[in-house]
Amino acid sequence: GAVVSQHPSRVICKSGTSVKIECRSLDFQATTMFWYRQFPKQSLMLMATSNEGSKATYEQGVEKDKFLINHASLTLSTLTVTSAHPEDSSFYICSAKSGTSGAYNEQFFGPGTRLTVL
Amino acid sequence: AQSVTQLDSQVPVFEEAPVELRCNYSSSVSVYLFWYVQYPNQGLQLLLKYLSGSTLVKGINGFEAEFNKSQTSFHLRKPSVHISDTAEYFCAVSEPSTLTFGKGTMLLVSP
Repeated sequence: GAVVSQHPSRVICKSGTSVKIECRSLDFQATTMFWYRQFPKQSLMLMATSNEGSKATYEQGVEKDKFLINHASLTLSTLTVTSAHPEDSSFYICSAKSGTSGAYNEQFFGPGTRLTVL
Repeated sequence: AQSVTQLDSQVPVFEEAPVELRCNYSSSVSVYLFWYVQYPNQGLQLLLKYLSGSTLVKGINGFEAEFNKSQTSFHLRKPSVHISDTAEYFCAVSEPSTLTFGKGTMLLVSP
């Protein structure tokens, strides 16, 4: 149980285009989903936290107009990279958890999406 | 604010040797501690976690970690590593719902 999928696993796009990445919790309802970004040989940096039905909370320094996050249902969150540029190339990982705010609930991670912007 | 320090960016070790990956944290409140493993181009897999109770935590794949509150450490150990343990290992702290990761330690196991 507790499987999180991401689609696509890899995407290559041209500079200036937009790319959408999906994150799905396959066997549980995710009240909260997280989006991380990982540069080569570096750690995961939290970009934003999204709760189902409400606006995402972005970390300092993350452009909310560039990285659009939608958490429309308890099993799906999407990250759209708008007007992508080569510096947006990275490994994007989502995670999901269920349960009430403030209590510990394990985050389950997706397999990641490799974005390459040419 | 919470932070995690993994002092070793890379740890080379021979197969069947013991290994310890170090992790220190700082936090102003009680924390939950985690170790994750990441294989190339994959997401993170939870190895083990400390929430409360016994300070020695056993995880998957023969790994274990010990929570030391006085030293604010949560070092990961395995008595005998395999080639397949070659991967990136991340220590993380949660207060309680947001995870903060260390920079990672690459474990390189050679024959």
